[in-house]
Amino acid sequence: KNEVEQSPQNLTAQEGEFITINCSYSVGISALHWLQQHPGGGIVSLFMLSSGKKKHGRLIATINIQEKHSSLHITASHPRDSAVYICAALLNTGNQFYFGTGTSLTVIP
Amino acid sequence: GAVVSQHPSRVICKSGTSVKIECRSLDFQATTMFWYRQFPKKSLMLMATSNEGSKATYEQGVEKDKFLINHASLTLSTLTVTSAHPEDSSFYICGGLGNTIYFGEGSWLTVV
Repeated sequence: KNEVEQSPQNLTAQEGEFITINCSYSVGISALHWLQQHPGGGIVSLFMLSSGKKKHGRLIATINIQEKHSSLHITASHPRDSAVYICAALLNTGNQFYFGTGTSLTVIP
Repeated sequence: GAVVSQHPSRVICKSGTSVKIECRSLDFQATTMFWYRQFPKKSLMLMATSNEGSKATYEQGVEKDKFLINHASLTLSTLTVTSAHPEDSSFYICGGLGNTIYFGEGSWLTVV
C-alpha cells in the first residue's frame, strides 16, 4: 500500500469544467504539497498546506488533517491546465517526501 | 519564489561514460537536496537525500557507487551517473529544501 494515494489517475475534462483531484495519505505529515508537472518534465509547486484551504487564481487546495485527505480543485478549467498533478506529503521528520502517483489531466477545448 | 537551476536539461552520452548533473539553489540555501528519477508515466522515485557537507543517504536499491552525489556547498549538489548504461536513460530531477521544496527543471538523460 502506498503511503500517498491519489485519484483519479487520468482525467479528461471539457474546457470550463470544475475539476477535483483527491489525495489521501496514511503517514504523519507536517505539510502536503500539490505539484504540477508539465509534459516537458519541469515541476512547479502549486501549494503547500498544513491546514485549511488555499486559493491561487483558479486553483483551490484544501486539507483535512483529521481525515488525512487533501483535494485540489480547478475552476473554469482551460487546456493550458493540462498537466500531471502530484500530491506530495512532507513527513513530520521534515526531510522526507512521499509522492502520489500523479493525476494526468487533459482539458479539451 | 526560490529557484533551483538544474543543468543540463538534456544530455546524450555513450555507454560506459559518466555524466554529471548539477543543481544550484539560486536564492536560498538548500541544506538538504533530494534527487529523484522518473520513469515514463510514473511518479517521482527518490534516489537519495543529501545534506550539505555529509554523505548522501541512498534509497534501497539505488547503487551509491553508480549514482555519485556530492553536496559540497549550500547552493550546489551534483549527481554523477558513472559507467552509464542505456537502462540509466531517464528523467532526473532535484529538489532543494528551503521553506518548502523547490524543484529544478529536470534533466533528460539518454544513454546510447
